[in-house]
Amino acid sequence: DADVTQTPRNRITKTGKRIMLECSQTKGHDRMYWYRQDPGLGLRLIYYSFDVKDINKGEISDGYSVSRQAQAKFSLSLESAIPNQTALYFCATSEPSGNLNEQFFGPGTRLTVL
Amino acid sequence: DQQVKQNSPSLSVQEGRISILNCDYTNSMFDYFLWYKKYPAEGPTFLISISSIKDKNEDGRFTVFLNKSAKHLSLHIVPSQPGDSAVYFCAVYSGAGSYQLTFGKGTKLSVIP
Repeated sequence: DADVTQTPRNRITKTGKRIMLECSQTKGHDRMYWYRQDPGLGLRLIYYSFDVKDINKGEISDGYSVSRQAQAKFSLSLESAIPNQTALYFCATSEPSGNLNEQFFGPGTRLTVL
Repeated sequence: DQQVKQNSPSLSVQEGRISILNCDYTNSMFDYFLWYKKYPAEGPTFLISISSIKDKNEDGRFTVFLNKSAKHLSLHIVPSQPGDSAVYFCAVYSGAGSYQLTFGKGTKLSVIP
């Protein structure tokens, strides 16, 4: 079984709809992250969480919110989706004392906003 | 302004030859560098890393070189194999306890059999 899972894997929605992307991990890591990737661009950090009570904005948090429901679960919400939020979204986890700050990524969610 | 630059969007190499992927960065405070590999429909996977206290790190066919004075790092793959065909991302951490990875745009490597 995959250590970091994301649901759904693909989603098509319309402008103005509320969307939630979910991430679960079985690695036991405290730190979790949400990134987006646009074509021809690298990954950019949206939000990150160091534990259940800790939520922090990343580079591009506008238009997004997150919820850390448990150590293993970290959800990303688009309250009112817009077309320029069409992208590939990745969840990642890491250990603060782990091997050289390596982050482990989920398989991604492809979101299309029409 | 891009802090991490991968100026070659793509690279084609013959099987068995050396692949060299390059990455430049702007901030001399960056002190930890990673390479990730990404196949289509999968998330990035960690490949190899290097700390700023070193200038070389080797893991099997993969070697990363760091030139701090030039703010440049490179990933060498020798010999290249068709299964190495993927997008390679350079990523950096900016200091002890840093939490944010900054990624380059990626280089798509194609290894031709």
